Amino acid sequence: AQTVTQSQPEMSVQEAETVTLSCTYDTSESDYYLFWYKQPPSRQMILVIRQEAYKQQNATENRFSVNFQKAAKSFSLKISDSQLGDAAMYFCAYSTGTYKYIFGTGTRLKVLA
Amino acid sequence: GAGVSQSPRYKVAKRGQDVALRCDPISGHVSLFWYQQALGQGPEFLTYFQNEAQLDKSGLPSDRFFAERPEGSVSTLKIQRTQQEDSAVYLCASSFALAAETQYFGPGTRLLVL
Repeated sequence: AQTVTQSQPEMSVQEAETVTLSCTYDTSESDYYLFWYKQPPSRQMILVIRQEAYKQQNATENRFSVNFQKAAKSFSLKISDSQLGDAAMYFCAYSTGTYKYIFGTGTRLKVLA
Repeated sequence: GAGVSQSPRYKVAKRGQDVALRCDPISGHVSLFWYQQALGQGPEFLTYFQNEAQLDKSGLPSDRFFAERPEGSVSTLKIQRTQQEDSAVYLCASSFALAAETQYFGPGTRLLVL
């Protein structure tokens, strides 16, 4: 069965600094999709970034980038120039391309002024 | 619509009561998903609709849970005879097509069963 593990329940970062959130997953599939979602206290989940497993190039969206290591089954999120508005729960999610997402347990990110 | 909306945002129920949670997906989105998010956990899949057809209900925890989407847009998740373990946030998401597509989430309904 596919699983997603986020081993960091909570992380802190100083404003303007860089932080990396970890995610590992377990699957026997070769084609799949990986996502990072942000969930602010208002609870609406927002897509931060997505990665297709067949693409070797790491996805980037402005200050957000991923380090996708397919062989190691690792998918970490790097947030550069952290801002106060980045404070939220971050969830890593996996999908085989069918409709089911499998989520990790989340990492709470605190941004310190 | 501008985004996925859910109502009510908060619901308190006495154990044994029936509740109905509503989801309005983004206009034109074919796929609709329900998730249950327990405190401190990630969302867990409950059920999936493609238009009005419920193609997967394997995540529904018991036969007290029922979901419908009769006209292929608005969906209702109904929980009968609520139990304390049903307390959670119920998230609805929609996507334009199938799941390689990004899922867009609503704000959730926080259900507290006393």
